[in-house]
Amino acid sequence: NAGVMQNPRHLVRRRGQEARLRCSPMKGHSHVYWYRQLPEEGLKFMVYLQKENIIDESGMPKERFSAEFPKEGPSILRIQQVVRGDSAAYFCASSPRAGADHSPLHFGNGTRLTVT
Amino acid sequence: QKEVEQNSGPLSVPEGAIASLNCTYSDRVSQSFFWYRQYSGKSPELIMSIYSNGDKEDGRFTAQLNEASQYVSLLIRDSQPSDSATYLCAVTLLFSGGYNKLIFGAGTRLAVHP
Repeated sequence: NAGVMQNPRHLVRRRGQEARLRCSPMKGHSHVYWYRQLPEEGLKFMVYLQKENIIDESGMPKERFSAEFPKEGPSILRIQQVVRGDSAAYFCASSPRAGADHSPLHFGNGTRLTVT
Repeated sequence: QKEVEQNSGPLSVPEGAIASLNCTYSDRVSQSFFWYRQYSGKSPELIMSIYSNGDKEDGRFTAQLNEASQYVSLLIRDSQPSDSATYLCAVTLLFSGGYNKLIFGAGTRLAVHP
């Protein structure tokens, strides 16, 4: 029973390059959340997606960042023209539904992005 | 005011003692409350959830929720060195679009010394 799968675990990019982070939700889950964690800080909400739809992207920077969750395949968080300040751990979580229930989120192992 | 606030610590307790971790939240429409444990370099791991006023116990862990005071706490009895980690308080907010969003505090570092 695979949990939330994220890859790569570690990603090193030079300033100006693009970073692509992938998240495969748990089986049967169609809702994906992305969070960013800077060193010594808590998790900051970035974006919430359902299949083929962005529901809430209020935590995602307007420029250089984009996210998608296609009908087939994993969710992708894309960061264009990375800068050193993008260095962080990016966590993905999934859930089976969006409604007002008590389902906690379970997180993947994260992708640690380092921008040199 | 931040939506979810925690004392960053570190909170240092001796082995065998009770560790008390506190969290306050600012939004009255919060509906679910969680405590996650995060070891350095690892992903958050859910350890407790609480959905109504009062106490909830699970092994050495007790979560306490006081909705009137907008306060949630985590007690760890018989603290062990392996409990040394950062504890993240998280609150679910329900939005008018029918979805919820989990908001985290900055975390409290706990150090249990032998």
